[in-house]
Amino acid sequence: GENVEQHPSTLSVQEGDSAVIKCTYSDSASNYFPWYKQELGKGPQLIIDIRSNVGEKKDQRIAVTLNKTAKHFSLHITETQPEDSAVYFCAASNTGNQFYFGTGTSLTVIP
Amino acid sequence: DTAVSQTPKYLVTQMGNDKSIKCEQNLGHDTMYWYKQDSKKFLKIMFSYNNKELIINETVPNRFSPKSPDKAHLNLHINSLELGDSAVYFCASSLIAGGPRETQYFGPGTRLLVL
Repeated sequence: GENVEQHPSTLSVQEGDSAVIKCTYSDSASNYFPWYKQELGKGPQLIIDIRSNVGEKKDQRIAVTLNKTAKHFSLHITETQPEDSAVYFCAASNTGNQFYFGTGTSLTVIP
Repeated sequence: DTAVSQTPKYLVTQMGNDKSIKCEQNLGHDTMYWYKQDSKKFLKIMFSYNNKELIINETVPNRFSPKSPDKAHLNLHINSLELGDSAVYFCASSLIAGGPRETQYFGPGTRLLVL
């Protein structure tokens, strides 16, 4: 089965700096890679996703890159703000039926 | 106008009891899921239903029994609760299973504490 690893587990950045979270996956058949943000006491919410036919996708301050050859994808948040503080999860899926989640990254943006 | 709702939000119970968690989605989605999130925040899928039919059943003790009366509801019944069942349980739904519109929408979670 798929194995998704996520690093780092915790990340602290100063407000305005950039944050990068990296994930690797093992199953070359995986073709859909969403990123979720989980705020305290809430369920995960999709923030951006990327499919295997695309190398990069950007949505305002958030971008995701995918390297299918190396089997890794990354989340980039620029100009971080305190409200970006949350736990971020990457996931990989090859059928849409089942997602394999990373272990999460707790991001703290220091004002 | 909640998309995916779960009840109860908090559940505190004694070991050995039987309890149920309910989930409803008003998005018109065909597929629903149950996830367990442990104290280390690790999210693991437990079950997935597509149009009331079970399509994913991970290695979960048979004390856990999902039931889908219709495609808008997926309930989770847990028998003989154990301390290790303490976790946050999330329900999620997606438009279809597989294909380009498989984004999952999560409910707010049910925090289960077994004493």
